[in-house]
Amino acid sequence: GENVEQHPSTLSVQEGDSAVIKCTYSDSASNYFPWYKQELGKRPQLIIDIRSNVGEKKDQRIAVTLNKTAKHFSLHITETQPEDSAVYFCASLGGYQKVTFGTGTKLQVIP
Amino acid sequence: DAGVTQSPTHLIKTRGQQVTLRCSPKSGHDTVSWYQQALGQGPQFIFQYYEEEERQRGNFPDRFSGHQFPNYSSELNVNALLLGDSALYLCASSLDRGRNQPQHFGDGTRLSIL
Repeated sequence: GENVEQHPSTLSVQEGDSAVIKCTYSDSASNYFPWYKQELGKRPQLIIDIRSNVGEKKDQRIAVTLNKTAKHFSLHITETQPEDSAVYFCASLGGYQKVTFGTGTKLQVIP
Repeated sequence: DAGVTQSPTHLIKTRGQQVTLRCSPKSGHDTVSWYQQALGQGPQFIFQYYEEEERQRGNFPDRFSGHQFPNYSSELNVNALLLGDSALYLCASSLDRGRNQPQHFGDGTRLSIL
């Protein structure tokens, strides 16, 4: 089955700095890669996604890049703010929308 | 436009009991997936329902079963509960319009086994 590795497990940055979270996947058939933000005690919320026919996608301060050859994808958050503090999960989607999640990155933005 | 709703929000059971969790998908969605999220971990895929049938299943034992109704709502049943079943159970819905459709999550049901 699909395996998704996510690094780092924890990340602390100063407010205003950038944060980068990296993921690798194993199933070459995976073709959709969402990112979720989960605040403590709340539901995972989709923040950005990318499909395999695209190499990069940006939405304001958030961007995602995909390297299908290397099976890598990354989340980039610029100008971080305290409200960005949360656990971030990468995921890959194989057949029939079976989503495999990474292990999560706890991001702390220090004011 | 109602999002994904789950009930109950919290539940306490003892070992050996059975439990049923419920999920109503986001308006317009026809596919429901269930996930188990243990504390400090990512969600683990249990199974997915579409057209009232289980279409895909993760690595969970037969004690975990489900159902989807004609109105697209769904139930997750767990029999012979174990301490290790304590977790947040998340329901996610999507629209089966080809592949690569985003899933929207509910707030989950926190199940505690004593």
